[in-house]
Amino acid sequence: SAVISQKPSRDICQRGTSLTIQCQVDSQVTMMFWYRQQPGQSLTLIATANQGSEATYESGFVIDKFPISRPNLTFSTLTVSNMSPEDSSIYLCSVDGNRGQGAFAGASDEQFFGPGTRLTVL
Amino acid sequence: AQSVTQLDSHVSVSEGTPVLLRCNYSSSYSPSLFWYVQHPNKGLQLLLKYTSAATLVKGINGFEAEFKKSETSFHLTKPSAHMSDAAEYFCVVRLGYSSASKIIFGSGTRLSIRP
Repeated sequence: SAVISQKPSRDICQRGTSLTIQCQVDSQVTMMFWYRQQPGQSLTLIATANQGSEATYESGFVIDKFPISRPNLTFSTLTVSNMSPEDSSIYLCSVDGNRGQGAFAGASDEQFFGPGTRLTVL
Repeated sequence: AQSVTQLDSHVSVSEGTPVLLRCNYSSSYSPSLFWYVQHPNKGLQLLLKYTSAATLVKGINGFEAEFKKSETSFHLTKPSAHMSDAAEYFCVVRLGYSSASKIIFGSGTRLSIRP
């Protein structure tokens, strides 16, 4: 299993400001994933972060709004930029349970999730 | 299109009675399927997973799910509900076989347990 920590656990921010969320994994992983869970909703994938390359964003999410860093194999950050109340959500970091190297590693294992960062924008 | 549908947004059962949470999937691949549980103000926890082995999968806390390819279903069941089972449950499908393959979450089912 993977142990994932996130900082901060929660924050209340003012409109127009930015917040950077940190995700730390206890082992090296190829890919890290960032999700958003809006109030009362399911999880939506924001982007996939590979170490050493640009993150891959899902439809509806852009780098200018959600810049991501992946400086090494155990750490990633997600920034929520120029926040508005609509950005109030739980943001979750996730890793693949396989943690194999390369895109063709087996994918039968679960995803492990961090505890989430609960963001409220006023 | 690849998708996962949870047919009930909210299920309420009495303590001690059976639980059934329904999930249907749509996938061009032979899918990997998962059920996760999210308790209030807590992280996501894996209940069980199906990855092309036995079609009846047993998970934690007495939950199990049966993969039925003919019905494209992966319903979650438990013979006897406990108050601690009250939570949000997500059916998840994994598309493809590599670690780069995406996972898609269902919309979730909120399970309430009546005393």
